[in-house]
This record gives sequence, C-alpha cells and structure tokens, in this order.
Amino acid sequence: SQQGEEDPQALSIQEGENATMNCSYKTSINNLQWYRQNSGRGLVHLILIRSNEREKHSGRLRVTLDTSKKSSSLLITASRAADTASYFCATETSGGSNYKLTFGKGTLLTVNP
Amino acid sequence: NAGVMQNPRHLVRRRGQEARLRCSPVKGHSHVYWYRQLPEEGLKFMVYLQKENIIDESGMPKERFSAEFPKEGPSILRIQQVVRGDSAAYFCASSPLGGTEAFFGQGTRLTVV
Repeated sequence: SQQGEEDPQALSIQEGENATMNCSYKTSINNLQWYRQNSGRGLVHLILIRSNEREKHSGRLRVTLDTSKKSSSLLITASRAADTASYFCATETSGGSNYKLTFGKGTLLTVNP
Repeated sequence: NAGVMQNPRHLVRRRGQEARLRCSPVKGHSHVYWYRQLPEEGLKFMVYLQKENIIDESGMPKERFSAEFPKEGPSILRIQQVVRGDSAAYFCASSPLGGTEAFFGQGTRLTVV
C-alpha cells in the first residue's frame, strides 16, 4: 500500500505565487524527503527532514513535519515557470538494516508565466 | 564525480524476450533501490539491495523478475519473458547509507512490443 499520499494531485498557479503541497503517511518514519521530477527525467532530491525536526528551509523551499498528524508540507515561495514539475514525498522507514524509501503518487505543479 | 548511471536509456523488447537493466550507483554507495514508474503515476518500490544482499524485495513480482548487486560491477534488474504490462520507466537510486538522501538515475524506459 502507498505510504505517502500527496495532496493536491495537481496544482496550477501564476508565476510569483506560492505553492503548497501536502503529504500524509501511515506508519512511523525515520525521515521524510521531497523530490522533484521533470517530465520524463529522473528524480532530484530537494530536502530531507528527520522525524525529530519540525521545519526546514532550503532557498525558496520550506518543509514542515507534524509527526502527530503524520503529515508534511512543502512550500515553494515566489514560484517560477521553471518550478513546473511533479513533486513527490518519500518516507523512509527502517527495520534492522532495511532502510526503505516509499513514494507517494506526486503533485503535478504547473507555474504559468 | 559521476551520479547514478543507468543503461540503456531506452530498451525495446518483443514479448517473451529478456530485459536486462543496469545501474551503476554513485561511487562508494552501497545501497541500491529499484523503482518502477507507469505514465502519470508515482514510483513503485521494487527491491532494495546492499552489496551482495537483497534486503527487501517485497515490491518485486516473484516470477520473471530478479535483481542483483554483486561485489563488483553494476546492479542488474532482470525481467524474463517480458509482457506488454512490463512497459514502464525503471529507475535506480543509490545512497551511501540509510537515513540519507537517495540519488536517482535518469531511468530506463522499457517498451515491450
């Protein structure tokens, strides 16, 4: 079953606006990661937030994590047309030496110039 | 400092043939993950390997699919007797150890005709 579920499935905004994407998950995690995928390409790692962290920033990206609600959000501020891509959250769970990354279905973000 | 290298980028196979997908992880990375992505969907976990060991193959069909990550050389995902439903993009990722970001390759797009 899918561990992470992104919401919304698709988001269309104007350049300069902020974009917020949410991710919910089901089980306890070590960390949660956000990735970006341009059409037909591989995934690029954006940011990792550990289970004992609540907020993290990287440039125009802000990620929050609420382990009590099992949810995370990714905020992209001052969006640009080049931010158009699919965004995935991935949760890492571990059992022994098994560090497993499980992805959600993604949010397709379209930034209109 | 090369990233994750996957080859071939595109692979066309007739039904019943074998497909071999190769993944060279980032130098020094001992964790390799394989994922499958269907059009407009997220990444589905297939298998997680550490050097010479399969740690978690819960996402890989038990028949026709196999994976290895030998002491020397790339990781190989093998699909025997391919069927049309195997057509997808297959992504490989590597990480140096658990709890860190994963680096993705550009994927192999398999088309079964």
